[in-house]
Amino acid sequence: DAGVTQSPTHLIKTRGQHVTLRCSPISGHKSVSWYQQVLGQGPQFIFQYYEKEERGRGNFPDRFSARQFPNYSSELNVNALLLGDSALYLCASSVSGTRVEQYFGPGTRLTVT
Amino acid sequence: GQQLNQSPQSMFIQEGEDVSMNCTSSSIFNTWLWYKQDPGEGPVLLIALYKAGELTSNGRLTAQFGITRKDSFLNISASIPSDVGIYFCAGLYNNNDMRFGAGTRLTVKP
Repeated sequence: DAGVTQSPTHLIKTRGQHVTLRCSPISGHKSVSWYQQVLGQGPQFIFQYYEKEERGRGNFPDRFSARQFPNYSSELNVNALLLGDSALYLCASSVSGTRVEQYFGPGTRLTVT
Repeated sequence: GQQLNQSPQSMFIQEGEDVSMNCTSSSIFNTWLWYKQDPGEGPVLLIALYKAGELTSNGRLTAQFGITRKDSFLNISASIPSDVGIYFCAGLYNNNDMRFGAGTRLTVKP
């Protein structure tokens, strides 16, 4: 079975631009969470969606938004990019929304110049 | 958000040696998790701990949930080259409050 997939793998953007990252959960998983992992740090929670509704939100500015589609895939949008947004963005999926039983994708490496 | 205090930051060991790393926090957690992350991959869950004092093993890995609920440790016995990677602890208070440590980078010399 396919694991969590994310696209694109790598992305380079300029300050002030907008970016959309995509995630497809494991088949049968209804929850998707997004994390930001800055180089040398552990992941930081951004959003969780379950059954297309926002279930949790981390301490990130309103420039960050997300949504979940009827097929349970998800998009993370970041507006007005800053240099500090450069990071690995991880998506994780789980069957019922529990964070313990979540499976991570390989991430999207975003570089803001 | 504030992350957990994970130590050591990095370890260089000889194949066959045992490894110990730990994680502390000023906050209590209901669940402690240990992950391993390889280059170009997302973290993979190694062990989950659900009760204070719980000691759980997964092959050569053993982890414990501290009695105060503010700390946890992970031991790896008889290390092998494929143990190389970054190990993260994570504390979960409720399903919406999950914090990660900064990671321990493990290098195993054959």
